[in-house]
Amino acid sequence: DAGVIQSPRHEVTEMGQEVTLRCKPISGHNSLFWYRQTMMRGLELLIYFNNNVPIDDSGMPEDRFSAKMPNASFSTLKIQPSEPRDSAVYFCASSYSRSVDTIYFGEGSWLTVV
Amino acid sequence: GENVEQHPSTLSVQEGDSAVIKCTYSDSASNYFPWYKQELGKGPQLIIDIRSNVGEKKDQRIAVTLNKTAKHFSLHITETQPEDSAVYFCAAFFSPKARQLTFGSGTQLTVLP
Repeated sequence: DAGVIQSPRHEVTEMGQEVTLRCKPISGHNSLFWYRQTMMRGLELLIYFNNNVPIDDSGMPEDRFSAKMPNASFSTLKIQPSEPRDSAVYFCASSYSRSVDTIYFGEGSWLTVV
Repeated sequence: GENVEQHPSTLSVQEGDSAVIKCTYSDSASNYFPWYKQELGKGPQLIIDIRSNVGEKKDQRIAVTLNKTAKHFSLHITETQPEDSAVYFCAAFFSPKARQLTFGSGTQLTVLP
């Protein structure tokens, strides 16, 4: 089975540019999560969707961050404008809500803002 | 909110020895405790989990124990091998609040050949 697929795997961008990270969850999963991982703060939940609807976005750091899930098989996390402190690994994860808690992660998008 | 403390932050063991990583959680309502292994350049991978209605679960060389009264749970790896070297994260699922996992800060395990 294909796991959670994220793109791009690596991105280097200049400060002020827009960054869009993409995610395809595991087929059949109806919950999707965006996490950010840094050395200082560890793994932080940014936002999660259930049945394509954002349920909790309290972890989104600023208005510069936005996330969408237009359908069950695709989600985006956008940063506009990007700043050097946004440099991190961004993980997408998905789960099947009936199993409630077993969450599967993608390989991550490594973002560097210079 | 939920808080998960994980210790130690780094752990080195000789190949063949056992490794133990411990976590405590703050919310007694937590009912699900997964462990993830993260290898360099990869995403966290679920390796074992335990629910609050059991005290121990084993899967080959890996076991997890849960003490609900003390609100702590541990990962035990026996007969460690170099490929066990990775960062291990514990997590707690705080239900019914917004179905999210709270992660520990991670343990860098190094298995020395």
